[in-house]
Amino acid sequence: EAGVTQFPSHSVIEKGQTVTLRCDPISGHDNLYWYRRVMGKEIKFLLHFVKESKQDESGMPNNRFLAERTGGTYSTLKVQPAELEDSGVYFCASSGLDTQYFGPGTRLTVL
Amino acid sequence: AQSVTQLDSQVPVFEEAPVELRCNYSSSVSVYLFWYVQYPNQGLQLLLKYLSGSTLVKGINGFEAEFNKSQTSFHLRKPSVHISDTAEYFCAVENQAGTALIFGKGTTLSVSS
Repeated sequence: EAGVTQFPSHSVIEKGQTVTLRCDPISGHDNLYWYRRVMGKEIKFLLHFVKESKQDESGMPNNRFLAERTGGTYSTLKVQPAELEDSGVYFCASSGLDTQYFGPGTRLTVL
Repeated sequence: AQSVTQLDSQVPVFEEAPVELRCNYSSSVSVYLFWYVQYPNQGLQLLLKYLSGSTLVKGINGFEAEFNKSQTSFHLRKPSVHISDTAEYFCAVENQAGTALIFGKGTTLSVSS
């Protein structure tokens, strides 16, 4: 069974540009989560989808971040415009009942 | 608010020695607790979880953890570590709404020969 996949693995952009991260959950998992780890800090929750609906987006830092999950399958997280403090590793996770399985993460560097 | 404290940011040990990585949580309700591991250049992998039942939980790669409600702890242990156990370990608790995991800051385990 394929795990959670994320694309790209690395992204380097300049301040002010736009970046879109993609997450493909484990097939059949209704729950999809985004987390972020800024260097030196703990992993922090961004938002949670149940199928295509946003269940909890309390962790989204500001309105420069937009997450979508069209059709309840894969999800995208867009940062527009990117700022220096957005640099970090963005993790996606999916779950069926009670355990979240994580993808390898996307390392975003904003210069 | 719920929180997780990992008491040690770095733990250096020699190969074949026992190790304990400490985790304390704060929560006023029933808890679901997890340990994840991140090997160098890889994603997070679930080591073990406590949802209910036996307080001693066994996970992959010979790790185990004990849920202690009175001390609000969920320490991770392994009786004999290998070089390949070198990684960063994260303790996490599910939030009250069941919508997210709250992570500790992580403990880097460095195993040397």
